[in-house]
Amino acid sequence: DVKVTQSSRYLVKRTGEKVFLECVQDMDHENMFWYRQDPGLGLRLIYFSYDVKMKEKGDIPEGYSVSREKKERFSLILESASTNQTSMYLCASSPTSGVKGLYEQYFGPGTRLTVT
Amino acid sequence: AQSVAQPEDQVNVAEGNPLTVKCTYSVSGNPYLFWYVQYPNRGLQFLLKYITGDNLVKGSYGFEAEFNKSQTSFHLKKPSALVSDSALYFCAVSSMDSNYQLIWGAGTKLIIKP
Repeated sequence: DVKVTQSSRYLVKRTGEKVFLECVQDMDHENMFWYRQDPGLGLRLIYFSYDVKMKEKGDIPEGYSVSREKKERFSLILESASTNQTSMYLCASSPTSGVKGLYEQYFGPGTRLTVT
Repeated sequence: AQSVAQPEDQVNVAEGNPLTVKCTYSVSGNPYLFWYVQYPNRGLQFLLKYITGDNLVKGSYGFEAEFNKSQTSFHLKKPSALVSDSALYFCAVSSMDSNYQLIWGAGTKLIIKP
């Protein structure tokens, strides 16, 4: 079974702090994703990565950055946390193929971040 | 622009009755369609997908979905609901329009009453 783990289930940070969210997958997947989930808005893509050291912006990258130094690990960084970044953060991974979008994504349990 | 609509915020069904969770989409070109489920305090789990071929797709936990190209719909169904099916369900679509990134619906909360 694919396993995607996230470093924390719950996190409370203060406004202005730098926040690191870690994600690790154990299935040698090329693709990794960071989403935020807010009630009534579904999932919104923050950043994704198709390969080591590669990153691409999603729909809402402002205020976030990412790092992918190893294939299995994808980190999300909040440079200066703000209260509007209080949310559930979900990491996902998927394999790649010759046809994009073919494979389902596998999700971690999520990190519920509260910024006060 | 591409989009996914789940018109019902919540669906209530009695245990043992059939259930339907609705999803419609708007993309250009051929869609890839997915359903995911999120149980309380857990991450999303893949249920089923439509890529091509037979319009009726069967997935995990007895769920199925029917792709209807003319109505641009991909409704999730189950013949007999269980209390344990209570969860949040998300429909998602990808296509060349979205560079094959998933576009997500807002989610539908399914409540199965004993």
